[in-house]
Amino acid sequence: RKEVEQDPGPFNVPEGATVAFNCTYSNSASQSFFWYRQDCRKEPKLLMSVYSSGNEDGRFTAQLNRASQYISLLIRDSKLSDSATYLCVVNKGSSNTGKLIFGQGTTLQVKP
Amino acid sequence: DGGITQSPKYLFRKEGQNVTLSCEQNLNHDAMYWYRQDPGQGLRLIYYSQIVNDFQKGDIAEGYSVSREKKESFPLTVTSAQKNPTAFYLCASRHPGNTGELFFGEGSRLTVL
Repeated sequence: RKEVEQDPGPFNVPEGATVAFNCTYSNSASQSFFWYRQDCRKEPKLLMSVYSSGNEDGRFTAQLNRASQYISLLIRDSKLSDSATYLCVVNKGSSNTGKLIFGQGTTLQVKP
Repeated sequence: DGGITQSPKYLFRKEGQNVTLSCEQNLNHDAMYWYRQDPGQGLRLIYYSQIVNDFQKGDIAEGYSVSREKKESFPLTVTSAQKNPTAFYLCASRHPGNTGELFFGEGSRLTVL
């Protein structure tokens, strides 16, 4: 089993749609979780951290389910500019330092 | 402006040659990382360093070497022992504290001819 797993997609949705991505992780001791966005042939950039109580940033909502060991990202009212690959990132182990493990990414294509 | 600078952006190499990718940061971060990304894939960790003069192997360290003689610099050497070196290489440094956010350079795209 991979340490961090995502559905690679692609997810093709119309503008205005709501779309959700899930990501599962294998290390129950992990404490830090993130969603990154990567545009084609560019470096990843932090979209949002994922907090235990869940958190929202505009149209984006991140949730953590420790019992089932998954995190999710919900995008409401999709825009064309949301088209990108979304990477789930998990800190390996309980320390806030050390290895950050990336999922393979989920590709989102928002169509007019 | 603070950030991470990788060079070169594009690099072509003949088989059997070693090549060194530069990564410099002025963010005063202790931790630095090298990742490799292949088309349609996520990032795989090559090496990371949590402090000067110390580094650890990641998941795919074979055929690579690093040094961390200065806080600001974490160069990666792709040796001739690396069987499939053509890839997109990303260097990052990590924000200390609770968030642990990674800051990436723009990447170096290596092609072996």
